[in-house]
Amino acid sequence: NAGVTQTPKFQVLKTGQSMTLQCAQDMNHNSMYWYRQDPGMGLRLIYYSASEGTTDKGEVPNGYNVSRLNKREFSLRLESAAPSQTSVYFCASRNRALYGYTFGSGTRLTVV
Amino acid sequence: KQEVTQIPAALSVPEGENLVLNCSFTDSAIYNLQWFRQDPGKGLTSLLLIQSSQREQTSGRLNASLDKSSGRSTLYIAASQPGDSATYLCAITQGGSEKLVFGKGTKLTVNP
Repeated sequence: NAGVTQTPKFQVLKTGQSMTLQCAQDMNHNSMYWYRQDPGMGLRLIYYSASEGTTDKGEVPNGYNVSRLNKREFSLRLESAAPSQTSVYFCASRNRALYGYTFGSGTRLTVV
Repeated sequence: KQEVTQIPAALSVPEGENLVLNCSFTDSAIYNLQWFRQDPGKGLTSLLLIQSSQREQTSGRLNASLDKSSGRSTLYIAASQPGDSATYLCAITQGGSEKLVFGKGTKLTVNP
């Protein structure tokens, strides 16, 4: 099925460990995004890539890095995980500002 | 700074009832507004997208309206069903911004 695919779906990390969340879309969208969702805080933008080869910070970028590997793939890396990064992470994409966003099913990350 | 508010935070209705979910925003200079549905532990599913030049959009039993001058959008659900139970989120894109600004959502429960 066409859409946004995220891996893994669940992950438990120990404080200080690193990991990369993967995201791929097959809709030929130009822009891709990483959001985190926390109870009481709603969804907040971490990083985005408006086009292949570009990345920019969102609201809450500290502790994260991203890579736009190609037009399809946009990864989010936690270099040294902290308990404050326990959250549900969503990847999203869209083609142009005129159109809406498509979201992946999320990665539930717990840092202990 | 754009702020999006959804009231009520939770709503419980009997099956078959028609209902309205509300979304208000502080800055009327929006590009578009998107309604999403989120089931527990799942990702966001796009329901309707309204461009800033449009007044409403319809899909099946759902109708979304937009009044930029008053800073309001409503999502009307006709003949509600237990399967409609979910959290409904509205989100705004502003011109020149890559960021979706989300409301905190309305948790809808439709009782059989």
